Amino acid sequence: IAGITQAPTSQILAAGRRMTLRCTQDMRHNAMYWYRQDLGLGLRLIHYSNTAGTTGKGEVPDGYSVSRANTDDFPLTLASAVPSQTSVYFCASSDSPGATGELFFGEGSRLTVL
Amino acid sequence: GQNIDQPTEMTATEGAIVQINCTYQTSGFNGLFWYQQHAGEAPTFLSYNVLDGLEEKGRFSSFLSRSKGYSYLLLKELQMKDSASYLCAFTDSNYQLIWGAGTKLIIKP
Repeated sequence: IAGITQAPTSQILAAGRRMTLRCTQDMRHNAMYWYRQDLGLGLRLIHYSNTAGTTGKGEVPDGYSVSRANTDDFPLTLASAVPSQTSVYFCASSDSPGATGELFFGEGSRLTVL
Repeated sequence: GQNIDQPTEMTATEGAIVQINCTYQTSGFNGLFWYQQHAGEAPTFLSYNVLDGLEEKGRFSSFLSRSKGYSYLLLKELQMKDSASYLCAFTDSNYQLIWGAGTKLIIKP
């Protein structure tokens, strides 16, 4: 593994189903983020974690939850998927908390909720 | 409130120079980023400005004026591979990144 790995790359999901998007980094970065990207809109922050054991809500947290049990992993869970959660999801990490340093992004997870 | 604005799309010719502008409004500012995103790929870091002035990195330069709430990304000697979206983002007073919707740059031969 080099950098950030996201899984799955793409998924079609029925509404109401539970889904976890996985994110793993091997750079030992303290800060990690989940964004969604929709056509015509900027990246929107869902949840973030400044260090293992802590998480915080971003701009659009409703319907999503995260955990940060260790430095490397930061999974994003949709408890009961809805069509409005159809989007491309990017996980990112940084060695500078507080959005003052370069973000390293995973390749993205394209989620379609029907 | 706070917002950020950049053009939706721009077209330029291979070998030419293009300037992509970004304007923002915020009560607290802690730096401005530019990222490049090729279609279907992840964003990658280009530049970070926290002080006024021009930062040059090879063919790419980024400028910031904090008093005017204005930044631009300058791309010189355009190549076909520069066709991508360019994302502007600033760090607000809560140290959260606020992203523009991106400027899609189309390079024509």
